[in-house]
Amino acid sequence: GAGVSQTPSNKVTEKGKYVELRCDPISGHTALYWYRQSLGQGPEFLIYFQGTGAADDSGLPNDRFFAVRPEGSVSTLKIQRTERGDSAVYLCASSLSRDLGADTQYFGPGTRLTVL
Amino acid sequence: DQQVKQNSPSLSVQEGRISILNCDYTNSMFDYFLWYKKYPAEGPTFLISISSIKDKNEDGRFTVFLNKSAKHLSLHIVPSQPGDSAVYFCAASVGAMNTGFQKLVFGTGTRLLVSP
Repeated sequence: GAGVSQTPSNKVTEKGKYVELRCDPISGHTALYWYRQSLGQGPEFLIYFQGTGAADDSGLPNDRFFAVRPEGSVSTLKIQRTERGDSAVYLCASSLSRDLGADTQYFGPGTRLTVL
Repeated sequence: DQQVKQNSPSLSVQEGRISILNCDYTNSMFDYFLWYKKYPAEGPTFLISISSIKDKNEDGRFTVFLNKSAKHLSLHIVPSQPGDSAVYFCAASVGAMNTGFQKLVFGTGTRLLVSP
């Protein structure tokens, strides 16, 4: 079946601009995660959705970052007034999220954001 | 503060030999550990996991060992194959077995090169 997809695969923008990054999770997965991977680092947690609600947004670096998942499927990560330090690969992952037990997170290929 | 550390940025091994990738952690509350493999331009792919109540988990050529007293885990690949060449990330989470929600904390990765 189809895996997690992310669009665009690459995004180049200028400092101060607004960007939206899209994630299509695996069908039926209720949990959705956003991570950010900077050069030479491992992925860092940003936000977690269970259904339509953001259950944990403690990883968002500041209020320029916002994410939505209005219908419990597709999610959009929005970044306002982009800065050069926002340049990174933004990864999305989804999982079944049963009530008990740890579920495997399946990652998309990521969106490489470059802020000039 | 890096809670999950992979101190070896790279490892080279000959085909057929054993690859041993190491990971150390500082948070004693971590109760679930995972290894992900990442090829260029792709998202991380789940490889194998272990809960803190176990000290070993095996899946084919892959075995993960957990030493809780040393806060150390390792991934053994035997025999290593050229297709195993990738970046390997160690990850950990807290409370995953109770809620299913995994706020993964990743290490910085180890690049494995398996030569023919």
